[in-house]
Amino acid sequence: DGGITQSPKYLFRKEGQNVTLSCEQNLNHDAMYWYRQDPGQGLRLIYYSQIVNDFQKGDIAEGYSVSREKKESFPLTVTSAQKNPTAFYLCASSPGPWTEAFFGQGTRLTVV
Amino acid sequence: AQRVTQPEKLLSVFKGAPVELKCNYSYSGSPELFWYVQYSRQRLQLLLRHISRESIKGFTADLNKGETSFHLKKPFAQEEDSAMYYCALSDPGGTSYGKLTFGQGTILTVHP
Repeated sequence: DGGITQSPKYLFRKEGQNVTLSCEQNLNHDAMYWYRQDPGQGLRLIYYSQIVNDFQKGDIAEGYSVSREKKESFPLTVTSAQKNPTAFYLCASSPGPWTEAFFGQGTRLTVV
Repeated sequence: AQRVTQPEKLLSVFKGAPVELKCNYSYSGSPELFWYVQYSRQRLQLLLRHISRESIKGFTADLNKGETSFHLKKPFAQEEDSAMYYCALSDPGGTSYGKLTFGQGTILTVHP
């Protein structure tokens, strides 16, 4: 079954702990993206990667880190430096910048 | 920096009425523009893209470079069009190659 998978669907963490969100795709896409979705603010880009072992900061990268060691995987770490980490996180992938992006089902992170 | 603005957070129309969802962008160059839709309890998915110049589910969007707009239109709205709509811009070859930026989104409600 092809597609893009985010896990887990719901995640709870204590304040001050780092947490890593998983994103895996088997679509053979070069590009991958991480977004944060908050009510009234749309999708804000955290990090994006066009190729393995390379990634760029998006518009709200502070307090987040990523890696792209494999084409199919683009994990996002929410660090304790992120001031307001509770949010809905979406991962996406696409063949390239002119093409359709495919989205995961999202992970809802709650920090207590 | 590339930016996408959707001025309306909420838009309500009656079934059969025309609908226009506004999208304005800022980008120094020739962008690739998209409209994405998120129906209730479904993943975010592509509705249409500028480069294809096609009509999907009765929706069309015209790129107006002079006004830097990419408004989404449908002449006769249907109840099943009720959803969240996002306008998006991709950098096809500028300094932020591959960056995919979304607007704040517009919730469209079509009343019977």
